[in-house]
Amino acid sequence: GAVVSQHPSWVICKSGTSVKIECRSLDFQATTMFWYRQFPKQSLMLMATSNEGSKATYEQGVEKDKFLINHASLTLSTLTVTSAHPEDSSFYICSASGSLTGTSYNEQFFGPGTRLTVL
Amino acid sequence: DAKTTQPPSMDCAEGRAANLPCNHSTISGNEYVYWYRQIHSQGPQYIIHGLKNNETNEMASLIITEDRKSSTLILPHATLRDTAVYYCIVRRTSGTYKYIFGTGTRLKVLA
Repeated sequence: GAVVSQHPSWVICKSGTSVKIECRSLDFQATTMFWYRQFPKQSLMLMATSNEGSKATYEQGVEKDKFLINHASLTLSTLTVTSAHPEDSSFYICSASGSLTGTSYNEQFFGPGTRLTVL
Repeated sequence: DAKTTQPPSMDCAEGRAANLPCNHSTISGNEYVYWYRQIHSQGPQYIIHGLKNNETNEMASLIITEDRKSSTLILPHATLRDTAVYYCIVRRTSGTYKYIFGTGTRLKVLA
C-alpha cells in the first residue's frame, strides 16, 4: 500500500510555456500532499503543502503565482509551472500522507519525480 | 534549517554492515526520527522510523541514543543496490507535518 505516482516522468518544454505535473495517491486517501524541488547534487527543498480542498501553503521564497497547486480530490494534486524559464529546470517530487481504511499514514510517501527541462 | 546533521559521504564494502550516523541534538520529546533514502533520479524511499526505542525491520535497524540526541541507521549486509543518499529527518508524532531535508549522507557500497 501507500503508492504515489507522478505524471509525466519527464517533460521538455519551450521557455514561456506552462507545464502541469500530476501527483496521484493510488491506494490511499491523501489528505495532505507536498511538493518539492531538487536541483542536481542538492537536497530536496519543500515548495508547498496542500490540504485537500484548501489553498496551498507556500514556503518562503516560492512564488505562488508561478507554481500553481491544486488539490481538489483526495487522490490527486497538480503543480503547474507557469511561464516556465530555463532556471525552472529541476526535478519535481511530490509526496502524500493520509489514511487507508482507518490506518493513518502520518509519514510521507513519495512519488518517483518529474524531470522538467525548459529550453 | 534542517534539524539534523549527517556526514556528507561514506563508503562501505559489499556484504559488510553500513552504519550511518545522524545528529539531532535539538529534538523534542514529541518528535520521531525518520530515515529515507534516495537512489539516483528517484523519489525518496521510506526505510524506518523510531521514537526512543531501537527498531528493526526487513530493511534496516535504527539505534537511538538514550538522550535521543543522535541515532544510527544500520544496514546489516550492504549490497551495491544500497548505494544512495540517506536522509535523517525529525518530525512531530501527531498530525501531518512537513519534512525539512538536510544534506544527507551519500553512501557508496563498493564491490
